[in-house]
Amino acid sequence: EAQVTQNPRYLITVTGKKLTVTCSQNMNHEYMSWYRQDPGLGLRQIYYSMNVEVTDKGDVPEGYKVSRKEKRNFPLILESPSPNQTSLYFCASSLRSGGYNEQFFGPGTRLTVL
Amino acid sequence: AQKVTQAQTEISVVEKEDVTLDCVYETRDTTYYLFWYKQPPSGELVFLIRRNSFDEQNEISGRYSWNFQKSTSSFNFTITASQVVDSAVYFCALSDPGGTSYGKLTFGQGTILTVHP
Repeated sequence: EAQVTQNPRYLITVTGKKLTVTCSQNMNHEYMSWYRQDPGLGLRQIYYSMNVEVTDKGDVPEGYKVSRKEKRNFPLILESPSPNQTSLYFCASSLRSGGYNEQFFGPGTRLTVL
Repeated sequence: AQKVTQAQTEISVVEKEDVTLDCVYETRDTTYYLFWYKQPPSGELVFLIRRNSFDEQNEISGRYSWNFQKSTSSFNFTITASQVVDSAVYFCALSDPGGTSYGKLTFGQGTILTVHP
């Protein structure tokens, strides 16, 4: 089944404790991205990747890191999480960049930073 | 810069009522793509429709219909004879063909729709 998976689905952590949210797709997609969803703000792009080893900042990259060492994986790293990073996070992938390509979203990761 | 505005933060209706969710967008691109997503209480994002800027035909899918008006930069979504299962957050989104925004989806703030029995 074609899908985007994220782990963990729920995470409660404390300020400053490094964490990684994994994202994996099995569709051989080149383009992957991370979004965060906050009430009243919709979803905003954090980082995106056009292909392996090619990543760039989205609209809200501060406090996050990503890597793309393999085509299927695009982990989101919070080196020192803070309470303002409490949010719902979505990973997405598409065959290539560009709006004509349908984006497939993962199930979401709900992160709480205390 | 691209922008999407969903003026209605929350809408509450009674079952069987028709409801329209408004979406207004801003973009400098001449080619672009518009989307609607549904987010039920379970939290996942469900793709509903994609429309490119050259196709201004309205679309109907069952109880759902979409009205794209380029002249007013609007892409409104109507649910006919609403049902309780339609209760969700609905997002309108805009994307470019892969130019300066590299296909990023720009989302509106979302509209919370509650359908009461």
